Amino acid sequence: DIQMTQSPSSLSASVGDRVTITCRASQSITKFLNWYQQRPGKAPKLLIYAASSLQSGVPSRFSGSGSGTDFTLTISSLQSEDVGTYYCQQSYDMRFTFGPGTKVDIK
Amino acid sequence: QVQLEQSGSELKKPGASVKLSCKASGYTFTAYALNWVRQAPGQGLDWMGWINTNTGNPTYAQGFTGRFVFSVDTSVNTAYMQISSLQTEDTAFYYCAREQFGPVGPYFDYWGQGTLVTVSS
Repeated sequence: DIQMTQSPSSLSASVGDRVTITCRASQSITKFLNWYQQRPGKAPKLLIYAASSLQSGVPSRFSGSGSGTDFTLTISSLQSEDVGTYYCQQSYDMRFTFGPGTKVDIK
Repeated sequence: QVQLEQSGSELKKPGASVKLSCKASGYTFTAYALNWVRQAPGQGLDWMGWINTNTGNPTYAQGFTGRFVFSVDTSVNTAYMQISSLQTEDTAFYYCAREQFGPVGPYFDYWGQGTLVTVSS
């Protein structure tokens, strides 16, 4: 099975900061990588699919990059409403493994 | 607009069964698979499996076989998940999520609000 890891597990940043979250797969998944945001007490929400495609309605400060085994989610200017946990998800082998999550809060 | 409306919270005793529902609206129900995801309190997301809403054929992830049963009723655009022989470790939020197929693989574009199942004696 494909295993997903994320780093860091948590981070604290100031409003306006550039934030980067990394996701790594245990084998190549080409670009079969999605990112979700889960705000506290809410259901997950799709941000990025296919590694770098922005879901409709998601602010452009969110971007994704990478291919193969290494991927990045970037928030170009952190806002207070971005507080929550971010999960990557692989869909390469149709088993939809999620990463363990990265918790983001405001400093 | 696309909506997935899940049934309300459940409090069950160990050994009991529970059946959760996920009612879809705003799109053609049978055109998209539905997935189920578990989230234990304070933990991450675990993919449980999916159901082909057109054929009713379920696929279960490792660790979710035996006590978990996915089903659909296309007459009411609703998917169900039944969990039998509940254990305290089944205490979690359960989410349904619609699966969209893009040019590079599938992803979950709409999620239900989640159902909290609490198993306690």
